[in-house]
Amino acid sequence: AQKITQTQPGMFVQEKEAVTLDCTYDTSDQSYGLFWYKQPSSGEMIFLIYQGSYDEQNATEGRYSLNFQKARKSANLVISASQLGDSAMYFCAMRGYSGGSNYKLTFGKGTLLTVNP
Amino acid sequence: KAGVTQTPRYLIKTRGQQVTLSCSPISGHRSVSWYQQTPGQGLQFLFEYFSETQRNKGNFPGRFSGRQFSNSRSEMNVSTLELGDSALYLCASSLVGTQGEQFFGPGTRLTVL
Repeated sequence: AQKITQTQPGMFVQEKEAVTLDCTYDTSDQSYGLFWYKQPSSGEMIFLIYQGSYDEQNATEGRYSLNFQKARKSANLVISASQLGDSAMYFCAMRGYSGGSNYKLTFGKGTLLTVNP
Repeated sequence: KAGVTQTPRYLIKTRGQQVTLSCSPISGHRSVSWYQQTPGQGLQFLFEYFSETQRNKGNFPGRFSGRQFSNSRSEMNVSTLELGDSALYLCASSLVGTQGEQFFGPGTRLTVL
C-alpha cells in the first residue's frame, strides 16, 4: 500500500518570499514517481512537478523545485518568490510502477497555502 | 491542444437517482482515471481505463461504474445515489509509457439532496 503524509494543513507566506511544503511518503515499490499538484478554488488540479525515484537530480520547473530525499522518504515542494496567485491547495501524490498500483495516484490530504501581500 | 473536458460542471440530484458524468481526455491520451474528492476523505481513486478496459479499481461500491469508448472518452455512472456521494468528481488523462503525470479536468460537482 502507498501512503502520502502532508503534515501542514495550512501555511502562510509573504509575497516574494520562498516557502517549503512538506511531503513524506511510504511505499513498497522500488520504482515510483512523486508529483505535486495545485488546486485553486476553482477546483481544477494543475500539475506542477514530477520526480522519479531513480532521478538523482532534484526536479525543477520554473519557480518550483522538489527537494527529494529518498532515504528519508520525503519530497518537499519549494516555491521561490511567492506570488499572490500561488494561494491555493497543494497536493503531493505518488504512483508506483510495479504491481497493481501502476495507474492510480495516491494523494495526501493537502496543504492550503495563503500568500499575503 | 485542448485540455481535459468534463460535463456537466454542476449537477444536483436526489437520493435514489442515478447520474452519468462524461470526460473527454486530451487528444492522444488513451488512459483515463476518475477520482472522487470530498472534504472528509480527500482525493480517492475510483478507476482507470485504457483501451476500453478497466485496468485498476479503487475501493468503492458496485454502484460506481464506468466505461471507455473507442475514442478514449469515458463516462462514469453512479446508481442509487446517496447523500455521501456528494463530491467533486475529477477525471484525468495521461499518456501511456511516460512518467505518467495525469492532467485533470475541471471536475463535475455533484450535489445529492
